[in-house]
Amino acid sequence: NAGVTQTPKFRVLKTGQSMTLLCAQDMNHEYMYWYRQDPGMGLRLIHYSVGEGTTAKGEVPDGYNVSRLKKQNFLLGLESAAPSQTSVYFCASSYASWQADGNTIYFGEGSWLTVV
Amino acid sequence: ILNVEQSPQSLHVQEGDSTNFTCSFPSSNFYALHWYRWETAKSPEALFVMTLNGDEKKKGRISATLNTKEGYSYLYIKGSQPEDSATYLCASNSGGSNYKLTFGKGTLLTVNP
Repeated sequence: NAGVTQTPKFRVLKTGQSMTLLCAQDMNHEYMYWYRQDPGMGLRLIHYSVGEGTTAKGEVPDGYNVSRLKKQNFLLGLESAAPSQTSVYFCASSYASWQADGNTIYFGEGSWLTVV
Repeated sequence: ILNVEQSPQSLHVQEGDSTNFTCSFPSSNFYALHWYRWETAKSPEALFVMTLNGDEKKKGRISATLNTKEGYSYLYIKGSQPEDSATYLCASNSGGSNYKLTFGKGTLLTVNP
């Protein structure tokens, strides 16, 4: 029962390097999200997707790009990493709101990223 | 962007104590209120999702209430146990969809044996 799986779990990057975080869900959810968690702050939405082939900006999208080529996968890219992007990243997914259990969001276990 | 506030920021209680925390949110355009339990190094786990004013939900020793007219929700834990130690997050949204969900900063609960 995998749920939401994120890879990698830990990564150290040098400033200016690029990387991609992969999120996969096996619950056939329409919606997928990328959040970041920083000390003293709540989870903040970076980007989200309401379906395959669609993406949209969240609260803090700058410096990130996303793609959802397949319904079960949501990729978060950092083109040129900066120290301000050091954070814990959480992927999440849910059914569309009008469906049963549509309001519950399921999270992955997080990806710890450090940019030096 | 909604402003979702949680209090207290942190809380220490003794095993067996009952406790409660508060989540406040703007009451206009309310859609849903979520509570999550988040243990260190694990993923946030959904406890409750409430949508109706006056909703009360219960799961074991944990329960929650919702007042959408005044914009607050309470989470109660009866007879706290050390395994209840975690950060409790609430989140609310407007506009009728999860992708406008705004999280509070959480209440860190520590239950001492």
